[in-house]
Amino acid sequence: DARVTQTPRHKVTEMGQEVTMRCQPILGHNTVFWYRQTMMQGLELLAYFRNRAPLDDSGMPKDRFSAEMPDATLATLKIQPSEPRDSAVYFCASGLVNDGHRYTDTQYFGPGTRLTVL
Amino acid sequence: QQQVKQSPQSLIVQKGGISIINCAYENTAFDYFPWYQQFPGKGPALLIAIRPDVSEKKEGRFTISFNKSAKQFSLHIMDSQPGDSATYFCAATGNQFYFGTGTSLTVIP
Repeated sequence: DARVTQTPRHKVTEMGQEVTMRCQPILGHNTVFWYRQTMMQGLELLAYFRNRAPLDDSGMPKDRFSAEMPDATLATLKIQPSEPRDSAVYFCASGLVNDGHRYTDTQYFGPGTRLTVL
Repeated sequence: QQQVKQSPQSLIVQKGGISIINCAYENTAFDYFPWYQQFPGKGPALLIAIRPDVSEKKEGRFTISFNKSAKQFSLHIMDSQPGDSATYFCAATGNQFYFGTGTSLTVIP
């Protein structure tokens, strides 16, 4: 049963600390999304990768957030320095796109990382 | 500008009743409309999806109705059960991907 995995599942840190969240997409998928979910804002798209290249990171605060895909089996989202307003659940999702003009039709979500910044 | 508008924000339905969640979109380039279901503590999961070449799609108790001219689509949950209590997100995709803001459904026994 292929699924997206995310680590850690929970993270509590102090303001100013670096936070790294990791995602392993489903093997064979060529697209990866990072989302942030809060009660107030719902699901916000932070970054979108296709074939490991970042295609859209317009939703990500550039001064403190960074997203990378070192290889096809690992995506990372870093926050440095973290702030209390970054507290949220961060989801990674992966999918498969065959048509270069499209976003993926179906996204498979991981279980999320619940981040609390004190 | 919100590309996909979802309503209501919350919904309470009696067991056995029909739950209806509505979404409206702006971009006529969207050509795939999925619905996601999310339980507390879990990631969203694809529930059912439709393309605009059909007006309705049914899978078990879940039905999507699609009105292309009105740019609206809705999710109907027939014979709603307490196990359906979750948050439901509509979405629209094509050359972009947008989620609605979510509807919290509570089915009371």
